[in-house]
Amino acid sequence: KNQVEQSPQSLIILEGKNCTLQCNYTVSPFSNLRWYKQDTGRGPVSLTIMTFSENTKSNGRYTATLDADTKQSSLHITASQLSDSASYICVVRTQTGANNLFFGTGTRLTVIP
Amino acid sequence: KAGVTQTPRYLIKTRGQQVTLSCSPISGHRSVSWYQQTPGQGLQFLFEYFSETQRNKGNFPGRFSGRQFSNSRSEMNVSTLELGDSALYLCASSWGVAQETQYFGPGTRLLVL
Repeated sequence: KNQVEQSPQSLIILEGKNCTLQCNYTVSPFSNLRWYKQDTGRGPVSLTIMTFSENTKSNGRYTATLDADTKQSSLHITASQLSDSASYICVVRTQTGANNLFFGTGTRLTVIP
Repeated sequence: KAGVTQTPRYLIKTRGQQVTLSCSPISGHRSVSWYQQTPGQGLQFLFEYFSETQRNKGNFPGRFSGRQFSNSRSEMNVSTLELGDSALYLCASSWGVAQETQYFGPGTRLLVL
């Protein structure tokens, strides 16, 4: 069964600290994996998209990693800021099938001063 | 360049009614996808259109339908509304499909009473 699981469900960290969010998937055959940031009351914003051959991709203070062998991805946030408070959603796309997008339920990150 | 726009932003309907939501993609984008987001289920994929053709469809009942026009604008329709259809409906556009970055609109918040 194609599934995407994210952990932790929620996380509270102090401003300036680093954190890592996890995404494990059983989706196959794999096409790509995206991380989105969604602020409360707004639509998601794409942070990174990774294909099978990519191990690491950075977008400013956000660094995503992908291990296609273990079917795991992580999103590392460096030197967190208050504006990083949001939900982070992992989405995996398969190569085949009419319904080929699978979503994690997200990690709710709260950065406190 | 204007972003993805969705209308209306808020909508209140009663059970049994039908509703049509509209999405205008970023100029030049040919792919439009629709998603439903609820607190309990998270983000779920509804359908994806590219050049007026439905490319992919999620696991939603036939009450949910959509279409894309020649100018890439898209509409989704929900007939015979149920209480459980209350959600944030998000539209995202991209130039192509698969590897392309998707840009989300602000969403239409639908409340079914």
